[in-house]
Amino acid sequence: DVKVTQSSRYLVKRTGEKVFLECVQDMDHENMFWYRQDPGLGLRLIYFSYDVKMKEKGDIPEGYSVSREKKERFSLILESASTNQTSMYLCASSGSGSPDTQYFGPGTRLTVL
Amino acid sequence: GENVEQHPSTLSVQEGDSAVIKCTYSDSASNYFPWYKQELGKRPQLIIDIRSNVGEKKDQRIAVTLNKTAKHFSLHITETQPEDSAVYFCAAGSNQAGTALIFGKGTTLSVSS
Repeated sequence: DVKVTQSSRYLVKRTGEKVFLECVQDMDHENMFWYRQDPGLGLRLIYFSYDVKMKEKGDIPEGYSVSREKKERFSLILESASTNQTSMYLCASSGSGSPDTQYFGPGTRLTVL
Repeated sequence: GENVEQHPSTLSVQEGDSAVIKCTYSDSASNYFPWYKQELGKRPQLIIDIRSNVGEKKDQRIAVTLNKTAKHFSLHITETQPEDSAVYFCAAGSNQAGTALIFGKGTTLSVSS
């Protein structure tokens, strides 16, 4: 079974803090993704990576950055958290089959005060 | 940019009725169309997918149909049950390197007994 884990289920941060969200997958998947989910807006892609040290901007990259130093780990960074970044953040991974099924992590509910 | 439109945004049915959710896509290069189900408080999970070389696929009470000419695909759930209540997302993807699935905004299905 594919396992995608995220470092926290719930996180509360202050405006201006630097925030790290971590995602780890155990299936040797090439592709990893970060989404945010807000009511009525569906799943919006922030960034994705198709290889170690590679990254591509998604639909809403502003205010975010990512890091992929190892194949199994993909980090989302909020350089200076703002209240409008309060959201559910979902990580996903997929294999090299083009295109291939995405498997999601459990999500991190981030609240920025 | 590329887009996936999903309708309706909410759908209420009686137990035992059928439910149909429709999606249209804009990228003619799309050739992979997965459907995800997200129960309350849980991660999205793949329930069925279809590739462009087939027009229909069935798995017990769920089926997906694809019309590549019209660029639309649909999810059909027959004999609905209360446990089918969830948010359903359609998505479209292609073989193009460096691209990600594009998701619809989701349909909230409520099945009342």
